[in-house]
Amino acid sequence: QVQLQQSGAELVKPGSSVKISCKASGYTFTSYDMHWIKQQPGNGLEWIGWIYPGNGNTKYNQKFNGKATLTADKSSSTAYMQLSSLTSEDSAVYFCARSTGSLDYWGQGVMVTVSS
Amino acid sequence: NTVMTQSPTSMFISVGDRVTMNCKASQNVGTNVDWYQQKTGQSPKLLIYGASNRYTGVPDRFTGSGSGTDFTLTISNMQAEDLAVYYCLQYNYNPRTFGGGTKLELK
Repeated sequence: QVQLQQSGAELVKPGSSVKISCKASGYTFTSYDMHWIKQQPGNGLEWIGWIYPGNGNTKYNQKFNGKATLTADKSSSTAYMQLSSLTSEDSAVYFCARSTGSLDYWGQGVMVTVSS
Repeated sequence: NTVMTQSPTSMFISVGDRVTMNCKASQNVGTNVDWYQQKTGQSPKLLIYGASNRYTGVPDRFTGSGSGTDFTLTISNMQAEDLAVYYCLQYNYNPRTFGGGTKLELK
């Protein structure tokens, strides 16, 4: 069965970077886009971008250019998102989701807390 | 960016009610709209894709309709397990954009 297992919660300092992971299983990792979505506490959902692990192509929401960097490791079927120059506005839960056009499978989410 | 405006933002409902919620796009998105359900503390789940197609395993009390700029999600016989926040998402344009959500609460 398709599963997306995300890494654990992160507590990070302002100005630093963090890299979170999303390990896929149960399907051919290189055949589907992987999307990333942000959800701030008590708020709605915001689309960050996607990566196609088959060739590494990416597409970002312009708002996250320079903030988020998406990569994928085919050998371990794992997608990554690095967030840089963190501020309190980056404190949120971050989801990965497989795309077939629609987002049919989601990871459990990673809570990133930015605090000194 | 394409703005997706959901209404109402919250609804107080009873089990057995017929529930209708709306999503309006700021420009024509065709039928490239999904609906997602998010229960407290959980990841969103795909309910409806392509505006009107029920995803695998979704009960038939959930119905999506619409095209262009106006979309509707209807729950025909509300169950307690349907208490959640519902989001629409357009994927016709980049960036993909979500609506702000409609929260269903018990009366």
